Amino acid sequence: GAVVSQHPSRVICKSGTSVKIECRSLDFQATTMFWYRQFPKQSLMLMATSNEGSKATYEQGVEKDKFLINHASLTLSTLTVTSAHPEDSSFYICSAMRDRNYGYTFGSGTRLTVV
Amino acid sequence: GENVEQHPSTLSVQEGDSAVIKCTYSDSASNYFPWYKQELGKGPQLIIDIRSNVGEKKDQRIAVTLNKTAKHFSLHITETQPEDSAVYFCAASRGTGANNLFFGTGTRLTVIP
Repeated sequence: GAVVSQHPSRVICKSGTSVKIECRSLDFQATTMFWYRQFPKQSLMLMATSNEGSKATYEQGVEKDKFLINHASLTLSTLTVTSAHPEDSSFYICSAMRDRNYGYTFGSGTRLTVV
Repeated sequence: GENVEQHPSTLSVQEGDSAVIKCTYSDSASNYFPWYKQELGKGPQLIIDIRSNVGEKKDQRIAVTLNKTAKHFSLHITETQPEDSAVYFCAASRGTGANNLFFGTGTRLTVIP
């Protein structure tokens, strides 16, 4: 199959702290992974494209210094929300494609609450 | 870039009836069109997809149709069951691992027992 594991599933942090979210492709290698953000009752909005061994590509309006992405291996991409504020509270989801036969597989998401 | 529109935003059907959700896209280079089911607090789950070289694909109670000329595609769920209740998203992509998905706005489907 094509399994993407995301961790943690839920995290609560204090304002001003940083939070790291991990996205792993368990049974395939992913040169590219994608990070999405989803507000309640809304669609998924692409934040950035994570490229193994190179810098991430951020969508317009997404602060790269606030949402740090590291794709250090072919099976792991991390998203770090730095100096988190309550408005960063959201559902963050990663995805990757194994190949054309499997399509895009999504992680289970991370519910971030900043208090 | 790609713009995907989805209708309706909410849909209620009686158990056993059919449900149809429609999407349009703008980028003629898009060639991969998946549909996802998302339950509360979970990531999207792929339920069916279609590529631009076919016009229809069916998997048991679920089918997807694609009209590439008109740039629209639809999801059809027959014999709906309460467990089909969820939010459904359509998406479009250029179909390789390096190209991201563009999502529709979602349809909240409620199947009434």
